Amino acid sequence: SQQGEEDPQALSIQEGENATMNCSYKTSINNLQWYRQNSGRGLVHLILIRSNEREKHSGRLRVTLDTSKKSSSLLITASRAADTASYFCATDARNFGNEKLTFGTGTRLTIIP
Amino acid sequence: GAGVSQSPSNKVTEKGKDVELRCDPISGHTALYWYRQSLGQGLEFLIYFQGNSAPDKSGLPSDRFSAERTGGSVSTLTIQRTQQEDSAVYLCASSKTVNTEAFFGQGTRLTVV
Repeated sequence: SQQGEEDPQALSIQEGENATMNCSYKTSINNLQWYRQNSGRGLVHLILIRSNEREKHSGRLRVTLDTSKKSSSLLITASRAADTASYFCATDARNFGNEKLTFGTGTRLTIIP
Repeated sequence: GAGVSQSPSNKVTEKGKDVELRCDPISGHTALYWYRQSLGQGLEFLIYFQGNSAPDKSGLPSDRFSAERTGGSVSTLTIQRTQQEDSAVYLCASSKTVNTEAFFGQGTRLTVV
């Protein structure tokens, strides 16, 4: 079954507004990562947050992690048209021998100019 | 090369034919992943190689699918007797070790007619 589930499935906002996407997962993890995908091809890594971290920033990106709720959020501030893409969370299970990176279903973000 | 390379970028094949998809990971990366993505969907895990350990094949959808990784480097994903439902983008990723950032290739778009 899918380790990560993002919500919403789709999000449309005006340029300049903030976009928030959420991810829930099921098992204990080592890390949680967020990726971006344009045009249905290769994914690009955005940010990695470790299980002992609660918040991390990178430019206009802010990621939070709540391991008690098994959830994470990705905030993109001051959105731009170029942020239009699909965003995925990915987790690696803590169990030895089961560290494969598993992706959620993704959020399709559309920024309206 | 500097990134993960996949070939071919596009493949059209007739139903019932076998296909081989190739992935050249970043040199020195011990972990290699294959995923499948249907149009507008999330990433479906297929198989994971980590160093010299036995691969995690738990995501392969049927025995028509197989993959190998020779010399801890190049990997090939083979689909035998292709079916129309195999049509998708097949994505390969590699990472330096487990629990680190994954780098994706641009994928192979497979169309079975």
